[in-house]
Amino acid sequence: EVQLVQSGAEVKKPGESLKISCKGSGYIFTTYWIGWVRQMPGKGLEWMGIIYPGDSNTRYSPSFQGQVTISADKSINTAYLQWSSLKASDTAMYYCARRDSTAYPYWGQGTLVTVSS
Amino acid sequence: EIVLTQSPATLSLSPGERATLSCRASQSVSSYLVWYQQKPGQAPRLLIYDTSKRATGIPARFSGSGSGTDFTLTISSLEPEDFAVYYCQQHSNWAEITFGPGTKVDIK
Repeated sequence: EVQLVQSGAEVKKPGESLKISCKGSGYIFTTYWIGWVRQMPGKGLEWMGIIYPGDSNTRYSPSFQGQVTISADKSINTAYLQWSSLKASDTAMYYCARRDSTAYPYWGQGTLVTVSS
Repeated sequence: EIVLTQSPATLSLSPGERATLSCRASQSVSSYLVWYQQKPGQAPRLLIYDTSKRATGIPARFSGSGSGTDFTLTISSLEPEDFAVYYCQQHSNWAEITFGPGTKVDIK
């Protein structure tokens, strides 16, 4: 069974750094792209970027380029999304999802990030 | 960037009624149009990919159609569990996908 399990909720202060994770299981992790999606409170879905764990090839949405870093450690089947300096506007639910051809059929449960002073 | 517009923003219907949701793209996305369902507190669920192909386990009451810039998701007869928010997503450029703003289907 394909599963994506994300790390738990985080509460951070503005300016702090953060790295959240997404661990894949039930499939060959290195052969599927993993994407990240933001959902701000009460809002819609925003695609942030994608990584191929096999070679760490990464693409970012123009809206998120330079704002976050997507990475992966294929030795432990885990993808990451990180911030070097959080802002209050980063408060959101973040989902990872596995790309299959032209869609994302498998999603993590989401990681809620709250940034507040 | 390809912009997706969904209409209506909210659709108020009763169980058993037919729901017709629209998604329009700012430029052609060929057939690379996807639909997701999201319920409160849950991750999105893939319903339809490549315009009209139902994902695994999706009931036949869900169907998709369209091409180019205009697409439709139809729910033939609403079940109680279908009241949710529906998002379209284009995959024309796999490295720069975008989502529509969503249509909320709520109980009339």
